[in-house]
Amino acid sequence: DIQMTQSPSSLSASAGDRVSITCRTSQSVSRYLNWYQQKPGKAPELLIYVASSLQRGVPSRFSGSGSGTDFTLTINSLQPEDSATYYCQQGYSNPRTFGQGTKVEV
Amino acid sequence: QVQLQQWGSGLLKPSETLSLTCAVYGGSFSGYFWSWIRQPPGKGLEWIGEINYKGITNYNSSLKSRVAISLDTANTQFSLNLSSVTAADTAVYYCARIFAYEGYWVDSWGQGTLVTVSS
Repeated sequence: DIQMTQSPSSLSASAGDRVSITCRTSQSVSRYLNWYQQKPGKAPELLIYVASSLQRGVPSRFSGSGSGTDFTLTINSLQPEDSATYYCQQGYSNPRTFGQGTKVEV
Repeated sequence: QVQLQQWGSGLLKPSETLSLTCAVYGGSFSGYFWSWIRQPPGKGLEWIGEINYKGITNYNSSLKSRVAISLDTANTQFSLNLSSVTAADTAVYYCARIFAYEGYWVDSWGQGTLVTVSS
């Protein structure tokens, strides 16, 4: 199984800040890496797919980068509604593993 | 816009079988994978398995001996059965639609069902 390591596990930042979350995979997943946002009591929502493609309807302050084993989710100009837990997921091979999550507090 | 609506048993005793069903509204089965993902309380997400529109399945090896995912194309529904449950299977279970062309991602989720295993 491909292991996923996200860092940090949590962060606190102010509205307007720029924050980055890193996801590292135990082996190359090419660009098959996705990012999701989950708010308490809700299902996750897709933000970014294939490393850097922005899902329709997601604000442009969210962006993704990386390939191989190292990926980054960046949130520019952090907003209060961005308080949530963020997960990466590899789509390269079964089982389609997720990172352990990064809790962002604004 | 596709919508996934799920239902099933919410409280089980150890050794019983978990059964959940997910109905797909506003979309076709064709061209997608249909998946189940779970999340224990306060923890992260675990991919359980998937089935494609042809009925081909893939399962997480950690659950493979206990899990079965099936398709009902006539009613555009798919189901999860997980046998011999224990307290470790207590989680919110989500059904999901997977887009798997030049990538693999979940583009639509069900509302989630909390399944509690307790004697």
